[in-house]
Amino acid sequence: SQQGEEDPQALSIQEGENATMNCSYKTSINNLQWYRQNSGRGLVHLILIRSNEREKHSGRLRVTLDTSKKSSSLLITASRAADTASYFCATPRSGSEKLVFGKGTKLTVNP
Amino acid sequence: EADIYQTPRYLVIGTGKKITLECSQTMGHDKMYWYQQDPGMELHLIHYSYGVNSTEKGDLSSESTVSRIRTEHFPLTLESARPSHTSQYLCASSETLAAKNIQYFGAGTRLSVL
Repeated sequence: SQQGEEDPQALSIQEGENATMNCSYKTSINNLQWYRQNSGRGLVHLILIRSNEREKHSGRLRVTLDTSKKSSSLLITASRAADTASYFCATPRSGSEKLVFGKGTKLTVNP
Repeated sequence: EADIYQTPRYLVIGTGKKITLECSQTMGHDKMYWYQQDPGMELHLIHYSYGVNSTEKGDLSSESTVSRIRTEHFPLTLESARPSHTSQYLCASSETLAAKNIQYFGAGTRLSVL
């Protein structure tokens, strides 16, 4: 299976702290994406990192990609209660535009 | 916010009823997807469409069917709902540009079959 696996499954932090989530995948990819899902809602695309990039920033988000280890991390700095959500990594299937989503990390930011 | 809409948002229905979950997008995307997701769990692809009149089953076997008669519309139908169909159904669309395959999701339909 090419499915990504997020780690940890759940993370609880205080407002203002940084949150780091990790994703591992199994096959070669040309990009990796991170999505966010608020409870009971659809997913929202956060950031895409290509296989030739090592790090990418978007606001308070920082994503890294290590293709040699087949892993990625999402860092949310100075977290807010509004960041409480589940975060999923997604990788493209070989030769397909379909995505494979991981099981997600449930982040709780306590005020 | 993405321009992709799902109706209804919530549906409670009895066993044996026929239901159709609606999904429409105004972005002109050629590819559309249906996912099934139980609370707190991962997404499972149940249907995929490359374009008009082109659909295929996803990874997770589903008794539902889909149609794609118009680019913007991708409804999902269950001929006879059962309690095992209780889940959240998410519709998404994408346009593959420059090797990107970003998907845009609707808000989902939470289905409960009694």
